Amino acid sequence: AQKITQTQPGMFVQEKEAVTLDCTYDTSDPSYGLFWYKQPSSGEMIFLIYQGSYDQQNATEGRYSLNFQKARKSANLVISASQLGDSAMYFCAMRELMNTGFQKLVFGTGTRLLVSP
Amino acid sequence: NAGVTQTPKFQVLKTGQSMTLQCAQDMNHNSMYWYRQDPGMGLRLIYYSASEGTTDKGEVPNGYNVSRLNKREFSLRLESAAPSQTSVYFCASSERDKRNQPQHFGDGTRLSIL
Repeated sequence: AQKITQTQPGMFVQEKEAVTLDCTYDTSDPSYGLFWYKQPSSGEMIFLIYQGSYDQQNATEGRYSLNFQKARKSANLVISASQLGDSAMYFCAMRELMNTGFQKLVFGTGTRLLVSP
Repeated sequence: NAGVTQTPKFQVLKTGQSMTLQCAQDMNHNSMYWYRQDPGMGLRLIYYSASEGTTDKGEVPNGYNVSRLNKREFSLRLESAAPSQTSVYFCASSERDKRNQPQHFGDGTRLSIL
């Protein structure tokens, strides 16, 4: 069963508009964490924002915020005031406990965002 | 601020050839990881090293071996490359046991196997 689901293969937004990228997850671990990464066309993976399952407030980092709905198991990324440089692939990832006791990241398949002038 | 450095950035191999991908981090992180990224599949964990001296299999370890040379370096070896191993490989590192700390990634190695 897929642990992280990103249902939007591609999204389009106009410059200066806000956009929401969807992410739903599945876990039985009460203590989990959710990360968003950006991958521009140059290929590197850039960490954007983190949300812990026990965090009382939605995470925010500059123009990035997380719409965290725990009961619905969703952690959608909101980018406000989109810029051309926001055009990239965006990955949602969940921290998962392995049977070794170590934690790893499980990634979704990503959403490609294109920002138009 | 080098962060995580991977070499080489690009490589073309013939089927059956061997190769080692190198990774080094300068953030004094305990944990290091190797992922592969294939179109439409996100990143999948190949191997990881929770701390110096330990390595464990991830989700897709077949055809690979790893060595945690020291705290800084974690290498990935393909003993007999196959076309199915054509992919982009990412090395990452993180603090161990710090739940809110992200993994920091290198720039990737684009590997093609003919």
